[in-house]
Amino acid sequence: DQQVKQNSPSLSVQEGRISILNCDYTNSMFDYFLWYKKYPAEGPTFLISISSIKDKNEDGRFTVFLNKSAKHLSLHIVPSQPGDSAVYFCAASAGTGTASKLTFGTGTRLQVTL
Amino acid sequence: KAGVTQTPRYLIKTRGQQVTLSCSPISGHRSVSWYQQTPGQGLQFLFEYFSETQRNKGNFPGRFSGRQFSNSRSEMNVSTLELGDSALYLCASSFGGQGEAFFGQGTRLTVV
Repeated sequence: DQQVKQNSPSLSVQEGRISILNCDYTNSMFDYFLWYKKYPAEGPTFLISISSIKDKNEDGRFTVFLNKSAKHLSLHIVPSQPGDSAVYFCAASAGTGTASKLTFGTGTRLQVTL
Repeated sequence: KAGVTQTPRYLIKTRGQQVTLSCSPISGHRSVSWYQQTPGQGLQFLFEYFSETQRNKGNFPGRFSGRQFSNSRSEMNVSTLELGDSALYLCASSFGGQGEAFFGQGTRLTVV
């Protein structure tokens, strides 16, 4: 039972354009959501998070949007850069907003082309 | 400040053996969680320790165990290794309340 889903296994975007990565969840108890970026054989790197009491959080080129009614969140990267090429994971946790027990999606591989 | 440190980075073990992996969290972080990443199952939560107590546990067999010391460093042990235990094992630390979890670089375990 995949409680966090990233339905697009891969995404290709031109440098300078917007990258939009999507994530859906089924567990209504999730109240804290995070995005991580990962390179092969390395640990995930935290990008940005959002609490369920908000619908948007922004940090530099990264913005996360949360639609609780649709159980959907998205990560926008503007403008996209070649260094953004990596696998992006959406993660969620339930209860108290802690990030200590995360349920991950299957990841979306982003390729930013020149 | 120093990040999350996992040792060793790479490990090769024989089926049936046991293995211990180590994780040193970011200074001041009291929560340490362990995850297993495999190509087939993705990133899966193993367990979390907070103040030397296991606070959460994922759906893994009892062969997987862990502990946390008073300085928040954590160890994970896998007994009677199986070929399917080959994976990247990741440790993450956080304050234990609100806030993101920071991951180490992982230990790549290969069981032959």
